[in-house]
Amino acid sequence: DVKVTQSSRYLVKRTGEKVFLECVQDMDHENMFWYRQDPGLGLRLIYFSYDVKMKEKGDIPEGYSVSREKKERFSLILESASTNQTSMYLCASRWKNEQFFGPGTRLTVL
Amino acid sequence: AQSVAQPEDQVNVAEGNPLTVKCTYSVSGNPYLFWYVQYPNRGLQFLLKYITGDNLVKGSYGFEAEFNKSQTSFHLKKPSALVSDSALYFCAVSPVGNTGKLIFGQGTTLQVKP
Repeated sequence: DVKVTQSSRYLVKRTGEKVFLECVQDMDHENMFWYRQDPGLGLRLIYFSYDVKMKEKGDIPEGYSVSREKKERFSLILESASTNQTSMYLCASRWKNEQFFGPGTRLTVL
Repeated sequence: AQSVAQPEDQVNVAEGNPLTVKCTYSVSGNPYLFWYVQYPNRGLQFLLKYITGDNLVKGSYGFEAEFNKSQTSFHLKKPSALVSDSALYFCAVSPVGNTGKLIFGQGTTLQVKP
């Protein structure tokens, strides 16, 4: 079974803090994705990565950056967290047209 | 702009009755189509996909979906609903040549009552 893990299920941070969300997949997939999920908006793509050190902006990259130094790990970085970044964050890896999702990190920014 | 629409925020159905969750899309070409399910406090789980071929696709947990090219729809169906099917369902589209990116609908909450 494909396993995608995320470092935290719940996270509470303060406005202005730098936040790191980590995602690890164990299947040597090249493509990885970060989404945020908000009620009534579905999932929106923040960033994705084709391979190590390769990244591309998704639909809502503002306020976020990413890092992919190793194939199995894709990190989402909030440089200076703001209250409008309170959301559920989902990571996924892709193999043959199918995306496999992690359990999500519910981030609250106070 | 490319988009996916799930016109119902919530669908209510009695256990044992058939269910339909609707999805329409506006994407050029012949996209790949997907359904995912999300149980409370969990990530998304893959249900089924349409790439090509037969318009009726069978997936996990007894779900199936019907692709209709002329109506650009991909409705999710199940002949007999279970209470355990209650969850949030997402339709998603991957435009051809779009490197695997998915465009999601806003989600439909399915409530199955005993």
